[in-house]
Amino acid sequence: EVQLVQSGEEVKKAGESLKISCKGSGYSFTNYWIGWVRQMPGKGLEWMGIISPSDSDPRYSPSFQGKVTISADKSINTAYLQWSSLKASDTAMYYCVRRLAVAARIDWYFDLWGRGTLVIVSS
Amino acid sequence: SYELTQPPSVSVSPGQTASITCSGDILGEKYVCWYQQKPGQSPVLIIYQDNKRPSGIPERFSGSNSGNTATLTIRGTQAVDEAEYYCQAWDRSTVVFGGGTKLTVL
Repeated sequence: EVQLVQSGEEVKKAGESLKISCKGSGYSFTNYWIGWVRQMPGKGLEWMGIISPSDSDPRYSPSFQGKVTISADKSINTAYLQWSSLKASDTAMYYCVRRLAVAARIDWYFDLWGRGTLVIVSS
Repeated sequence: SYELTQPPSVSVSPGQTASITCSGDILGEKYVCWYQQKPGQSPVLIIYQDNKRPSGIPERFSGSNSGNTATLTIRGTQAVDEAEYYCQAWDRSTVVFGGGTKLTVL
């Protein structure tokens, strides 16, 4: 089965670090980029950034540049999203998504979504 | 920064046609896709490249994009279509989502 399997719910304190994961299975991992989308409680979708597992080259939304780090390990078909110092405002559901690597420059859509990782940060 | 504007809510009677709009500057020159999100679930891609349906998406879902407005149309709307719908495009190396539209099937 083609799927993105995300790590489980996290409950952390403000100031702590965190790394969540997204493992692709059932398809060629390096043929797709892996992105991350945030959804705060009761709110809409926000694109955070994306990475090419082939060369581990991340691109960030200006809104999240410097606030998170996106990485990938193609040897284990896994992408990561990490924070060095969490804030209460980071409380949200985080989805990983995939985008076809050879898609045209202007053609951006995410054809597969993970189930999401809920991150709860207490102050 | 680029913005996509959707109506917060749309209501439709079962069996009727629902139209959800997504507006943005010269949006017709960009590719638009649409996602459906039901409560407690991950979003699902239902339209890409303005008007293409992924495998498994019912034919009652269609899309169009021209000028400054993209439209998601649901013909013969069913109760199962009640959900939040998001449009999305790409602008200057950034993915942009619309704010979402809650579709209510009355």
